[in-house]
Amino acid sequence: QSALTQPPSVSGSPGQSVTISCIGTSSDVGSYDRVSWYQQPPDTAPKLMIYEVNNRPSGVPDRFSGSKSGNTASLTISGLQAEDEADYYCSSYTSSGTYVFGTGTKVTVL
Amino acid sequence: EVQLVESGGDLVQPGGSLRLSCAASGITLSSYWMHWVRQAPGKGLVWVSRVNGDGTSTTYADSVKGRFSISRDNAKNTVYLQMNSLRAEDTAVYYCARQNKYGNDYWGQGTLVTVSS
Repeated sequence: QSALTQPPSVSGSPGQSVTISCIGTSSDVGSYDRVSWYQQPPDTAPKLMIYEVNNRPSGVPDRFSGSKSGNTASLTISGLQAEDEADYYCSSYTSSGTYVFGTGTKVTVL
Repeated sequence: EVQLVESGGDLVQPGGSLRLSCAASGITLSSYWMHWVRQAPGKGLVWVSRVNGDGTSTTYADSVKGRFSISRDNAKNTVYLQMNSLRAEDTAVYYCARQNKYGNDYWGQGTLVTVSS
């Protein structure tokens, strides 16, 4: 199972919006609404930000939103803040009954 | 306070074995699928394995199938990962995580496994 494809990095100024893409296939992202997104600051465990494409767990700011079209999922961070600087990973359930993570994207706040 | 605490990581020679544990407090794991995810130094997250609530269903990444075995003891609120025939490429921090709906909502702090001679 190949990793989902994410851009290595995205950046934006405080207050701007950034969008991270997550490209999969018809065997994972394209077939299931079981896409989740994780935030991982340096040297810490991942934190769930979005589950089932566009649902936010309690406590996650509504600046974070998710969507999906075809084989591509996306995470948008609106009103970028300094504390959002971290690595972000998407994940999807697959037709093999396994899961796959994305390659990861480093978000930099300029 | 909810906590998942992994343990068992160590330095091991290629071909060796290790058993990782993931002990939970503040939550009951028995109703949930539990996952292991690893992260090699400086690299991204990689899904390894998962087990269902009663331990009767398990799934593995192709890279560990036949070498790793996931299990759980709900009486001890603990999940395990038995790792055999370890290779250098298995070197990573190993995280356990609880699946809630289709997202991993609680994660441990990770335990480091180093495979080297």
